Amino acid sequence: DAMVIQNPRYQVTQFGKPVTLSCSQTLNHNVMYWYQQKSSQAPKLLFHYYDKDFNNEADTPDNFQSRRPNTSFCFLDIRSPGLGDAAMYLCATSRDGGATDTQYFGPGTRLTVL
Amino acid sequence: GQNIDQPTEMTATEGAIVQINCTYQTSGFNGLFWYQQHAGEAPTFLSYNVLDGLEEKGRFSSFLSRSKGYSYLLLKELQMKDSASYLCAVMDSNYQLIWGAGTKLIIKP
Repeated sequence: DAMVIQNPRYQVTQFGKPVTLSCSQTLNHNVMYWYQQKSSQAPKLLFHYYDKDFNNEADTPDNFQSRRPNTSFCFLDIRSPGLGDAAMYLCATSRDGGATDTQYFGPGTRLTVL
Repeated sequence: GQNIDQPTEMTATEGAIVQINCTYQTSGFNGLFWYQQHAGEAPTFLSYNVLDGLEEKGRFSSFLSRSKGYSYLLLKELQMKDSASYLCAVMDSNYQLIWGAGTKLIIKP
């Protein structure tokens, strides 16, 4: 089945210790998104890739970086996690990012910062 | 600014019908999405409306009025497994999804 996969599902890190979250997709979609979602809040878009073209949201902290080495994979790097970065991180994909385009989500990675 | 409003929480009884409302103010409009999100899980796509009117999909229906900036999600024959958060999201003129905070639906037997 075509899908969006995120690893790990649960990640624990120490305050200030770099962490990388991964996302892969078998949908062959052009666009990949990273969202941060805290409890009972709307998902917050951090950045997205249209193919290799990187688009950063204006209010995404510099602490968050992303890489997309190929169509299938996308990584979220948190360089120095703070306690406020504890959240669910959602990866999503869409075919071309245009009107009527549906975003499909992976299962998410829940990040805990100790 | 862009804004999506939904009730924070609703309670309904198993077997009943519930309507979850969403109002929006966005820069342009390229469609409205409803997603279901169970606790601790990712959102899953339920419906998409871009034209005014009602879209029916099994027990779930979604309605849109663009002139009023208003949508609702109607859930019929409620089941316990429908307990979840329901998120409304609007695609703006830049094809960005603007998300509501979600409505937590509690189903009681």
